[in-house]
Amino acid sequence: EDKVVQSPLSLVVHEGDTVTLNCSYEVTNFRSLLWYKQEKKAPTFLFMLTSSGIEKKSGRLSSILDKKELSSILNITATQTGDSAIYLCVTSGNTPLVFGKGTRLSVIA
Amino acid sequence: NAGVTQTPKFRVLKTGQSMTLLCAQDMNHEYMYWYRQDPGMGLRLIHYSVGEGTTAKGEVPDGYNVSRLKKQNFLLGLESAAPSQTSVYFCASGWGDSYEQYFGPGTRLTVT
Repeated sequence: EDKVVQSPLSLVVHEGDTVTLNCSYEVTNFRSLLWYKQEKKAPTFLFMLTSSGIEKKSGRLSSILDKKELSSILNITATQTGDSAIYLCVTSGNTPLVFGKGTRLSVIA
Repeated sequence: NAGVTQTPKFRVLKTGQSMTLLCAQDMNHEYMYWYRQDPGMGLRLIHYSVGEGTTAKGEVPDGYNVSRLKKQNFLLGLESAAPSQTSVYFCASGWGDSYEQYFGPGTRLTVT
């Protein structure tokens, strides 16, 4: 059974800190891994990763996929209160779209 | 463009009642999905469709049925609601399950 595990489940940091969120997976015929941010309502897309070692970057957020270690990290530098959200990792493979339970990030001023 | 819309936004049902949730997208996407989200459980795929007239089961399909008669619409039906189906339901659409999905705003369903 395909599985995605995110860690930590929750995290509280101060504004300006750098955080690293982890996502590990066991997926048959892995195709891609995506990160989403969910604030109060629907998830919004952050990154899609298909190749190992390639860093995707958008402003203060970046992500890398390690296919050898079957994992991905999402980094957020200089965190702001607006980064407070649940961050979701999802994979596609033989089982379509397996989501992790998410990491709840709280950034306090 | 409205993107992905869901109807209704909120609903309260009694056990045993039936209802249909409607999802509509105006981006001409082939793939559409229904998820449920429960506290501490993340998003779980209920059913999905890879094109008009097709449907397939996801991780938690029991108690739900779907139909995709038109490309832009994906309906989720509950024939006999149970309290265990109390959840927030999200619809999404995209070009494939390896690609970005666009989510609707969600429907909060309570079954008493």
